[in-house]
This record gives sequence, C-alpha cells and structure tokens, in this order.
Amino acid sequence: QSVLTQPPSVSAAPGQKVTISCSGSNSNIGNNYVSWYQQLPGTAPKLLIYDNHKRPSGIPDRFSGSKSGTSATLGITGLQTGDEADYYCGTWDSSLSWVFGGGTKVTVL
Amino acid sequence: EVQLVQSGAEVKKPGDSLKISCEGSGYIFPGYWIAWVRQMPGKGLEWMGIIYPRDSDTRYSPSFQGQVTISADKSISTAYLQWSSLRASDTAMYYCARLGTSESGYYNMDVWGKGTTVTVSS
Repeated sequence: QSVLTQPPSVSAAPGQKVTISCSGSNSNIGNNYVSWYQQLPGTAPKLLIYDNHKRPSGIPDRFSGSKSGTSATLGITGLQTGDEADYYCGTWDSSLSWVFGGGTKVTVL
Repeated sequence: EVQLVQSGAEVKKPGDSLKISCEGSGYIFPGYWIAWVRQMPGKGLEWMGIIYPRDSDTRYSPSFQGQVTISADKSISTAYLQWSSLRASDTAMYYCARLGTSESGYYNMDVWGKGTTVTVSS
C-alpha cells in the first residue's frame, strides 16, 4: 500500500484528455514539490514533470502538472498511442523518505 | 551526455551474496545523490535509499534498512547496492537514479539507469 494514492488505471480515446490524481498528506505533498514519472512498457522510468508543473527539456506541452493542498494532478491532452504507459507521482515525506504513488496505467482506446 | 550505466542481469540462488553497480558519467558524480529504486514483477516503484558519493552519507527507507547496503566509490563514479544473503522475494528490477536539484532547490529523479534484473531462484 503506497503512501501516495493514484487510480490504478485511466483510459480515453486518441486525441482526448486524461487526468491522473495523486493524493497524499501534509507530511508529503502538502509541504513538498511533486514530480511525475512516465514508464513506457519494458523501459526505465523517465522524469515527466518536476516542481509540480515544470517540464524538462523535450517533454511536450501536452503534459501538464498541478498541485493543490495535499493532492497533485497530471494531465495529458491530445492523447496518443505512444502515451500508453504507467505514470507515477513522487515526493519527499517528512519521514525523510522519498515516496511514490502506486502508479496509474494509461490506456488509449 | 549525462547517463547512469547499470551492471548486467544477475541470476542467483537463495543465500547468495550480490553487489550490483551504477556508474555515472557526463556530470560531477560526487555532487549528486544517487537513489536506488526497486520494482518487483508487475508492481510499482519503491524507494530503497540514497547515497551522497562525496561523503557517502546514506539514508535508507525503513522498509529496506538492514536488508541491503548502499555504498559508493567516488573515484570511479560508481554507486552500489548489495545483499549479503538473497531471498526469492528479492527478485526484481533495480534502478538507480540521480537526484537532480531544480531551480527551486527541490530534488527530483532526473536521470535513470536502464535497470538491473535480479532473479533469485533455487
């Protein structure tokens, strides 16, 4: 059972939008920045969003992040088949541990 | 190019010892924390711990404290994860990742190795 709670799966048709929630507490999300990671099938995770909403170089603006209180959200617009992957949120916890969400599988219908 | 290169897949028996590695290049290795992350088959990511190669300051997740040892040799830009006695439940993919610091001063795992598969079976 992960410290951060994500829905197990979300799906939408190509071109549509999906959002993935990440719920935590004041000991983690509430007092730290959140990052998001994309794990394509059979590959290592990749940084997708950092500092709640910033995108590393090379990440398209179809990907967006936001945070409010103890929850964060990842949005993907203009969904593509290449976006099918597992997505994880992560942040520091006051216990001085890094915590991940359980991961959300995105399926393009 | 900043990259982390991990050692190859391992197949071991229960009770065996093992040390896997993660070599950094393209950046000043001693100056960045390195994290180890476990992913069991079909499961999510689990943070195991981190090490700061410059002084070998190490922090462990409570879930992994006493189960593994994280170390580093800054002279060869390499971090290590080791087990003294493997169990079947250690079968997993193990990733190393660099903890980069953003403009805001917060950490995130900005560079990842490709992972090392560890299989423990009798």
